[in-house]
Amino acid sequence: QKEVEQNSGPLSVPEGAIASLNCTYSDRGSQSFFWYRQYSGKSPELIMFIYSNGDKEDGRFTAQLNKASQYVSLLIRDSQPSDSATYLCAVNRAGNTPLVFGKGTRLSVIA
Amino acid sequence: NAGVTQTPKFQVLKTGQSMTLQCAQDMNHNSMYWYRQDPGMGLRLIYYSASEGTTDKGEVPNGYNVSRLNKREFSLRLESAAPSQTSVYFCASSESPGGSWNYGYTFGSGTRLTVV
Repeated sequence: QKEVEQNSGPLSVPEGAIASLNCTYSDRGSQSFFWYRQYSGKSPELIMFIYSNGDKEDGRFTAQLNKASQYVSLLIRDSQPSDSATYLCAVNRAGNTPLVFGKGTRLSVIA
Repeated sequence: NAGVTQTPKFQVLKTGQSMTLQCAQDMNHNSMYWYRQDPGMGLRLIYYSASEGTTDKGEVPNGYNVSRLNKREFSLRLESAAPSQTSVYFCASSESPGGSWNYGYTFGSGTRLTVV
């Protein structure tokens, strides 16, 4: 099992819909979870972080964490064409070691 | 407010040539990283420096060397470039390797390297 797994997509959603991006991880000692957005040809930029079970909302974005199921997700409400990008999930493992990144899910929001 | 600065932005090398990618951060971060990103492979860690004076191998270190010149600067050297090293290279920095609990990593704009 890979350390951090994401469906590569593409995930296509119509404008205005909710986009749901999922990520699973293998290290039960992981404590912090990050979502990055990467536009084509650009560098990753941090959009959300979460470290407690439950939901965390920031504008149109909601991160959800379930440590028992080793699952973290990102919901994008009222999706816009400008949300079309690759979304990377990153997880820190137990101990002070580098973040592990998933391969990313490509999201396409259709106008 | 530069964040993480990488140079050069683009580079074409011939097989066997050497070059150094430069990275500097102005956020007083302790840790710095070099990643490569290839289609379908995601971000793969080449080397990292948890703090000034230390460096460690990541997932794909072969063919690369690094130098943590000081707290601000972390360079990546290709001694003898190979076509398999054609990739986009990203430098990143953070307060600590695990990312501070709320800031994760800050990435530079990347270097597109082609080895012919």
